[in-house]
Amino acid sequence: DAGITQSPRYKITETGRQVTLMCHQTWSHSYMFWYRQDLGHGLRLIYYSAAADITDKGEVPDGYVVSRSKTENFPLTLESATRSQTSVYFCASSVQGAGYTFGSGTRLTVV
Amino acid sequence: SQQGEEDPQALSIQEGENATMNCSYKTSINNLQWYRQNSGRGLVHLILIRSNEREKHSGRLRVTLDTSKKSSSLLITASRAADTASYFCAAGGGNKLTFGTGTQLKVEL
Repeated sequence: DAGITQSPRYKITETGRQVTLMCHQTWSHSYMFWYRQDLGHGLRLIYYSAAADITDKGEVPDGYVVSRSKTENFPLTLESATRSQTSVYFCASSVQGAGYTFGSGTRLTVV
Repeated sequence: SQQGEEDPQALSIQEGENATMNCSYKTSINNLQWYRQNSGRGLVHLILIRSNEREKHSGRLRVTLDTSKKSSSLLITASRAADTASYFCAAGGGNKLTFGTGTQLKVEL
């Protein structure tokens, strides 16, 4: 199916564990983004990518790692999860100068 | 820091009324976008207005942009219960968007 999919939908992990959130899009959009959404903060940009093998930091990149070896995939890794990383994570894709298409989100709880 | 800031934070209206939400931003932009988010779901793109445009329409939506005041407004006419959602403005500079904290709209029957 065409679209942008995130997995898992829900994840509970323990402090200190490594966690990878997956994002896959089928449009071959050049741009992909990771945001986190927290009450009182709206959406904050973690990392973004303009094309395969090109990534850049957003507003809140500390504690996160991204890669983009293929245009369609943009995984987000929490190297050592902390409670402050409990959040809802959204992946999005777009072409330059256009609106974003968002995934359904991953609700991550770090205990 | 948030580039876009919506006002009001919450808005409750009756079905059939119009809803107006405002957005202010801080720096120069290429475009400004509005998104809707239903509870527990991802954001959905509603409309994009470029920095050289002053007004844009899409169905029951009307967006205005005043670059001199660094502000935008979203008007939803003849609101419906299904319009109940959070609405976010997002300021586009370069290739990324900066989102505000949103306006929660509740449309009551």
